[in-house]
Amino acid sequence: LAKTTQPISMDSYEGQEVNITCSHNNIATNDYITWYQQFPSQGPRFIIQGYKTKVTNEVASLFIPADRKSSTLSLPRVSLSDTAVYYCLVGSRNSGNTPLVFGKGTRLSVIA
Amino acid sequence: KAGVTQTPRYLIKTRGQQVTLSCSPISGHRSVSWYQQTPGQGLQFLFEYFSETQRNKGNFPGRFSGRQFSNSRSEMNVSTLELGDSALYLCASSSYQGGEQYFGPGTRLTVT
Repeated sequence: LAKTTQPISMDSYEGQEVNITCSHNNIATNDYITWYQQFPSQGPRFIIQGYKTKVTNEVASLFIPADRKSSTLSLPRVSLSDTAVYYCLVGSRNSGNTPLVFGKGTRLSVIA
Repeated sequence: KAGVTQTPRYLIKTRGQQVTLSCSPISGHRSVSWYQQTPGQGLQFLFEYFSETQRNKGNFPGRFSGRQFSNSRSEMNVSTLELGDSALYLCASSSYQGGEQYFGPGTRLTVT
């Protein structure tokens, strides 16, 4: 079961680009990397998922190097509403006996 | 498309009692997972159901149980409640095992 390591917290000013890196040294061949965002007293919200190289959607980009042992979530031009906890998860799309595991996440604080 | 719904949203129970929480997944989603979230332990996986069968189970005592109905709705039950069971219980649905999970707002359970 691949374990992930993320910074506990990060601060950023509004308008800046924020990059949150996640380490997953034991990632398996079938594993995908998924990021979730969680606001207080709400359920996590799916942000982005990728397998390799780069994935981009309307809210974020996900960069995955060739060895896939880490990944970086990039949030362009953050606003105060992006203050949340961000979780990096690694798991198979057909999990079988391997459930998705949430780590401690990264608490992002956006400052005006 | 309606999101994941959980009922009730808030619940107060006394130690020793039992509780049943309900989750209605997004229409068409057949996988339902349950998580417990506490400030100390973070998000912990409880179990996952797919097509009425429990596919994965986390490391929780037997007091925690669940089931899924033919319409994919799921319930989880906690018997003999303990103070430490106070938590936010989150339900998530996905269209396939290990897929992107869409979380409900959670049920806040307080055990006194």
